[in-house]
Amino acid sequence: SYELTQPPSVSVSPGQTARITCSGDALPKQYAYWYQQKPGQAPVLVIYKDSERPSGIPERFSGSSSGTTVTLTISGVQAEDEADYYCQSADSSGTCWVFGGGTKLTVL
Amino acid sequence: QVQLVESGGGVVQPGRSLRLSCAASGFTFSSYGMHWVRQAPGKGLEWVAVISYDGSNKYYADSVKGRFTISRDNSKNTLYLQMNSLRAEDTAVYYCAKVGTLGGLINWGQGTLVTVSS
Repeated sequence: SYELTQPPSVSVSPGQTARITCSGDALPKQYAYWYQQKPGQAPVLVIYKDSERPSGIPERFSGSSSGTTVTLTISGVQAEDEADYYCQSADSSGTCWVFGGGTKLTVL
Repeated sequence: QVQLVESGGGVVQPGRSLRLSCAASGFTFSSYGMHWVRQAPGKGLEWVAVISYDGSNKYYADSVKGRFTISRDNSKNTLYLQMNSLRAEDTAVYYCAKVGTLGGLINWGQGTLVTVSS
């Protein structure tokens, strides 16, 4: 079955830039989406179609894609950005969706 | 505003069945694909199933294929997940989620907890 691979954890100091990667063989063919989830809450979509930002999401959140890897970048990280982040995409057929294992972002 | 409210969770014995519901409001339900996503305690998100806006296309994760059935009643603005032959590993919070116009899961419910235990 198709898998997306993320690092389990990323740590940054406030004001620095956090980068979270997600790798998958079908990413050159399928869009990626990124979700933020804080404890006890439902996920929130922060990036869609690799690099687009939904309304209401701060500009410090951005996304990029290169080959089989997509990256979520959070510039000028704030304490409130501490959360779990999940990438999501589909297999090459587009019929099976999948989430990455999640990355815990810690703001030091 | 968009509202998704799941219900039907609870404690069930292994091998038994349960049906979850997701009541939708604040948007034209019959125009959007819908998903079920689950999260086991302390674990990550796992996609479960998707249904097209009109119910004509349904796809499932391998882990639930043949046991779970996704359906919808557009006249009632409600999404369902029929879960049969439940296993301990199906224990999770189950979320329903709406596909956004531009893609991705833009709206989520608050989730309903399913516990499979004897």
